[in-house]
Amino acid sequence: GAVVSQHPSWVICKSGTSVKIECRSLDFQATTMFWYRQFPKQSLMLMATSNEGSKATYEQGVEKDKFLINHASLTLSTLTVTSAHPEDSSFYICSVWTGEGYTFGSGTRLTVV
Amino acid sequence: KQEVTQIPAALSVPEGENLVLNCSFTDSAIYNLQWFRQDPGKGLTSLLLIQSSQREQTSGRLNASLDKSSGRSTLYIAASQPGDSATYLCAVSGAGSYQLTFGKGTKLSVIP
Repeated sequence: GAVVSQHPSWVICKSGTSVKIECRSLDFQATTMFWYRQFPKQSLMLMATSNEGSKATYEQGVEKDKFLINHASLTLSTLTVTSAHPEDSSFYICSVWTGEGYTFGSGTRLTVV
Repeated sequence: KQEVTQIPAALSVPEGENLVLNCSFTDSAIYNLQWFRQDPGKGLTSLLLIQSSQREQTSGRLNASLDKSSGRSTLYIAASQPGDSATYLCAVSGAGSYQLTFGKGTKLSVIP
């Protein structure tokens, strides 16, 4: 099956700084990638759908200017958390629909201090 | 709006026991249903995918069933092992959409 690599696996940043998370589809050309967020003891919530070569589609309540998504190629999507605040601390994870199922990255634990 | 519920929230069983995890969803117009396992602080590992036209899927000691009309799915784990300890997530995608809606998961502990 498809392999999705996500980097970094964890990051600690200071409040007010920006953090970039990369999601790479290693063996599958993904025109669409999905970004989820998971708070402790909560289910994964879809944040946005990343579309190669066009603008991302954001879910209701997700600030597009705060969570910048770039899907510049068929194998790479990035999520940048801008001006991070402690309430942005969460587990961020990307996924790809391969046609046979969803494959997820290993996730990124973001802690904003 | 689709809602996915998983019961129980947590389950502890002795090694070797068979067990069933439950998942229900409110909108039966789904494209597929997928079961995942998540280890603490890790990503998701796909276990089984059931298309809306299918009734069940099997992989090794795992068997997942789908009753779309009643909005239910079960994940059956046979002869549980300590290595099965993890959180099991159920997720559905709507017809015409690839977006997944997740339940909160069932945290399984298999006691040696």
